[in-house]
Amino acid sequence: SQQGEEDPQALSIQEGENATMNCSYKTSINNLQWYRQNSGRGLVHLILIRSNEREKHSGRLRVTLDTSKKSSSLLITASRAADTASYFCATDRGETSGSRLTFGEGTQLTVNP
Amino acid sequence: EAQVTQNPRYLITVTGKKLTVTCSQNMNHEYMSWYRQDPGLGLRQIYYSMNVEVTDKGDVPEGYKVSRKEKRNFPLILESPSPNQTSLYFCASSPDSFLAYEQYFGPGTRLTVT
Repeated sequence: SQQGEEDPQALSIQEGENATMNCSYKTSINNLQWYRQNSGRGLVHLILIRSNEREKHSGRLRVTLDTSKKSSSLLITASRAADTASYFCATDRGETSGSRLTFGEGTQLTVNP
Repeated sequence: EAQVTQNPRYLITVTGKKLTVTCSQNMNHEYMSWYRQDPGLGLRQIYYSMNVEVTDKGDVPEGYKVSRKEKRNFPLILESPSPNQTSLYFCASSPDSFLAYEQYFGPGTRLTVT
C-alpha cells in the first residue's frame, strides 16, 4: 500500500478561499515533500519539510508536519484559478539509504473563478 | 536552463517491440529515477540510480531495465513491452542520493502498447 495517502481525493473551492489537503503515512520518515502536477505534465516541487520541523511557509503555502500522528497538511491561502492542479505528498522510507520516495495518489484541487 | 528532458514525449508501439525512453539532466545530479503514473495508483517508482553504475529496483521493476553509464543519462528500456505497460512515465533527478532535497521531473512520456 502507499506510504503517503492524501485526503480528500478531490476538492472544489471558489477563488479566494483557502484549500487544505492532508497526507498520512505509515512508517518513520526523514522528510516529506509536496508536489504539484498540472494535468498530464511533470511534477513540480513545492516544499520540503524535514522530520524535525513542524511548520514551513513558502508564499501562499503553509505545510505542517505531525510526526506523532504521521500526518502532514498543505494549506494554500487565497486560492487562484491557476492553483487548479493535482497535489501529491511524497515521503522517503526513513531508512539509512533514504533513496526511495513514495508518492500518494494525490488530491485533485479545482479552484473556480 | 536547468532541466530534465525525456524522449520521446509520446509513443505508440506494439507488444513485444523493444523500445527505449531516454532521460537526460544537465544539473550534475547524482540521483535519477523512473516513475510510472496510472489512474488511481499515483506515481510508482520503477528503478532508481544513486550514481554512475549504481542502480536498484523500485516498487514496480518487472518488465523494465535501466542503465547509468554516464551521470547525465538514465535510459529506461522495455525489452518486450506489454499492454499493461501502457502508462505515463516520468524521469526525475535530485542533487542528493539521500533525497534530502527536491526532485526535478521531466515532462513525461505517454506510452501506449497495443
